[in-house]
Amino acid sequence: SQQGEEDPQALSIQEGENATMNCSYKTSINNLQWYRQNSGRGLVHLILIRSNEREKHSGRLRVTLDTSKKSSSLLITASRAADTASYFCATTGNTPLVFGKGTRLSVIA
Amino acid sequence: EAQVTQNPRYLITVTGKKLTVTCSQNMNHEYMSWYRQDPGLGLRQIYYSMNVEVTDKGDVPEGYKVSRKEKRNFPLILESPSPNQTSLYFCASSSLSSGNTIYFGEGSWLTVV
Repeated sequence: SQQGEEDPQALSIQEGENATMNCSYKTSINNLQWYRQNSGRGLVHLILIRSNEREKHSGRLRVTLDTSKKSSSLLITASRAADTASYFCATTGNTPLVFGKGTRLSVIA
Repeated sequence: EAQVTQNPRYLITVTGKKLTVTCSQNMNHEYMSWYRQDPGLGLRQIYYSMNVEVTDKGDVPEGYKVSRKEKRNFPLILESPSPNQTSLYFCASSSLSSGNTIYFGEGSWLTVV
């Protein structure tokens, strides 16, 4: 029942550039969340956006949600080498989280 | 400190030898879940539990068992491990109140030879 699909699968940018990742999903949701995973470690919650919200900010993170297109984007501004990680979107509907396969972000110093 | 603790973190075992990966959370969360993560496949849910004595199959339950006798613990049992169960396993927990933010354990690397 995997629902979230991130795009691109991999992204490589220079330090200081912005990184944009997209997530598409299939069914109606209560909220959508983004998580970060450093290699081989557990996932860390970044930000949650509810289905009635269109945009949310947290530090260098900006998340948008378009429920008509069933899509979300995560923007990381002024990226740093420490942002190198995999990023997952996850959706909740009537049951808890369903994860996508992730975007692997590499930020080159 | 809010924590999800899983053990062991690393294990190499042989085919057919029963093993249990323990998971414990200290946040009084109703919901707990097990995922496995394999290259190119993302996180796939094995089993989840909405509360004590309530468990349900996820996407890839074959070869696994779970139990939820207490709210804080949700062990994952491999009765007869096989090499295709070599993977990185994550336990997670969440409150069922609004938000559903999930807290993850640090992962258990399991190799079945």
